[in-house]
Amino acid sequence: AQTVTQSQPEMSVQEAETVTLSCTYDTSESNYYLFWYKQPPSRQMILVIRQEAYKQQNATENRFSVNFQKAAKSFSLKISDSQLGDTAMYFCAFMEEYGNKLVFGAGTILRVKS
Amino acid sequence: NAGVMQNPRHLVRRRGQEARLRCSPMKGHSHVYWYRQLPEEGLKFMVYLQKENIIDESGMPKERFSAEFPKEGPSILRIQQVVRGDSAAYFCASSDLGQKVVHEQYFGPGTRLTVT
Repeated sequence: AQTVTQSQPEMSVQEAETVTLSCTYDTSESNYYLFWYKQPPSRQMILVIRQEAYKQQNATENRFSVNFQKAAKSFSLKISDSQLGDTAMYFCAFMEEYGNKLVFGAGTILRVKS
Repeated sequence: NAGVMQNPRHLVRRRGQEARLRCSPMKGHSHVYWYRQLPEEGLKFMVYLQKENIIDESGMPKERFSAEFPKEGPSILRIQQVVRGDSAAYFCASSDLGQKVVHEQYFGPGTRLTVT
């Protein structure tokens, strides 16, 4: 079974600075999908970014980018120019290529300080 | 364009009562997923349904839990004889593509169930 590990329970960053959240996963599949979700205090789950494993190019969405290292099974999220609204719990998630369920990590609480 | 809707947002039940959680997928979506988030944990998959069919219920507890997605109306997650350990946030997600292609799941705001 696939597992997703987020080793940083909590992180803090100053406004306008850059922060990187770590995620590792375990799978024997060669093709799959990886996601980062944001859960603000409202508890709404919001998709931040996704990466297809067969694509070597790292995904980017505005201030959010990933560092996908397939061989190392690592999928970190970099947030540039951090904003107060980025304060949230961030979840890394995995899905098999033809799967139907997301496997989530335990989450990292990110606090952006002014 | 309404997103995934869940109701109620908060539900309080006494031990032994039944809890019914409702989920209306996004317009045009015919795939529904239920996840449970225990306090201080990530979301755990429970069940995947299409209209009138349960496709994957590998994450559902064997007893007291059931789910349905009828031809008309919302998907229902039903918990019978609730216990304190059922207290959690229950999230519904929906998508519009089948299993052949990765389907991006859009989440609802969740239902927070508290069992007293």
